[in-house]
Amino acid sequence: AAGVIQSPRHLIKEKRETATLKCYPIPRHDTVYWYQQGPGQDPQFLISFYEKMQSDKGSIPDRFSAQQFSDYHSELNMSSLELGDSALYFCASSLEGGDYEQYFGPGTRLTVT
Amino acid sequence: GQQVMQIPQYQHVQEGEDLTTYCNSSTTLSNIQWYKQRPGGHPVFLIQLVKSGEVKKQKRLTFQFGEAKKNSSLHITATQTTDVGTYFCAPTGFQKLVFGTGTRLLVSP
Repeated sequence: AAGVIQSPRHLIKEKRETATLKCYPIPRHDTVYWYQQGPGQDPQFLISFYEKMQSDKGSIPDRFSAQQFSDYHSELNMSSLELGDSALYFCASSLEGGDYEQYFGPGTRLTVT
Repeated sequence: GQQVMQIPQYQHVQEGEDLTTYCNSSTTLSNIQWYKQRPGGHPVFLIQLVKSGEVKKQKRLTFQFGEAKKNSSLHITATQTTDVGTYFCAPTGFQKLVFGTGTRLLVSP
């Protein structure tokens, strides 16, 4: 079965640079979520989209922005990168609504040097 | 937001032992989901509990939702090395999961 696809899988950037992470949800899933997981931490919710509209927002820095496109894929744009942004970024998708199980992608490991 | 604490944070058992991890909330939960994350992997959905007092079983895993819907538990019977990973409970809310602090399980052969 098709799973959530994330690209790139690994990314190395320098401080103050920008990064774009991409997420392709499972076919027919209309909701996408982004999570950030630091080393030894639990995943922290950043932002979500339902039918291309932002549906909820968590602890996402103002330097980050995201959107969902007409084909339901989503991109997380991160600017003015800081060392503390180094983390694993997961995208998850689900059917409509917060009560459905979420399917996570393999994650993008971002390292900021 | 909802704060969910899981205990214990770490559990190291010998293969074949049983263990229980608990998930406690200060507020009443509507639903709760459980996820497992293997080392280096991504969270994988295990189960969702909806009803007060609900008990669900998946092979050697037994999940329970408290009567007051403020806590949940996961009991693993006869642990195997394949059970290694971090188990998160996550109350569901509109459009997001709020993960608990997780229980990291190590199983020695």
